[in-house]
Amino acid sequence: DVKVTQSSRYLVKRTGEKVFLECVQDMDHENMFWYRQDPGLGLRLIYFSYDVKMKEKGDIPEGYSVSREKKERFSLILESASTNQTSMYLCASTPGGPYYGYTFGSGTRLTVV
Amino acid sequence: DAKTTQPNSMESNEEEPVHLPCNHSTISGTDYIHWYRQLPSQGPEYVIHGLTSNVNNRMASLAIAEDRKSSTLILHRATLRDAAVYYCILRDDAGGTSYGKLTFGQGTILTVHP
Repeated sequence: DVKVTQSSRYLVKRTGEKVFLECVQDMDHENMFWYRQDPGLGLRLIYFSYDVKMKEKGDIPEGYSVSREKKERFSLILESASTNQTSMYLCASTPGGPYYGYTFGSGTRLTVV
Repeated sequence: DAKTTQPNSMESNEEEPVHLPCNHSTISGTDYIHWYRQLPSQGPEYVIHGLTSNVNNRMASLAIAEDRKSSTLILHRATLRDAAVYYCILRDDAGGTSYGKLTFGQGTILTVHP
């Protein structure tokens, strides 16, 4: 089975800190995605990447950046964490083409205090 | 992005079939219909997807209307472990990209009674 591994299950950071959320997939998938999930707002796409060093903004990219230096790893970066970035962050990956489903990680619950 | 409409919640009894409906009247020809479910405190889990024909896998069946404006996810025998939020999503692959985006709605909360 494909695995998408997020480095931390729970994370507590202070306002203004630089935060790195790491995601690794083990099945050579081209496409990787970062979502955040908030009560009442559902899952919203932050950024995605369809190849190494390629990135595209999703629906809510403000306050975030991403890095994809290797195919298997997709990092979400909060340059200066704020309390409104407290959320559940979910990483997903999928092979290229429309014939496949997404595989999601278990999520990182980030609290910014 | 094409949108889907699902009931907010549904209930079922254990070992009975469950039919979860989804309306997607603005679906385009390139949209695949995806279903995911999310158990409490976990990431979404892929269930099934299809384009035009009905699909079956070990988890569920997907029945797609002939005009593709609606679909139904069928759990043949619900178990307590099937209690989750079920999302019906149209995967947007327009433009020939390889990275069809998924736009999640609110989903259907399925409660399974023992």
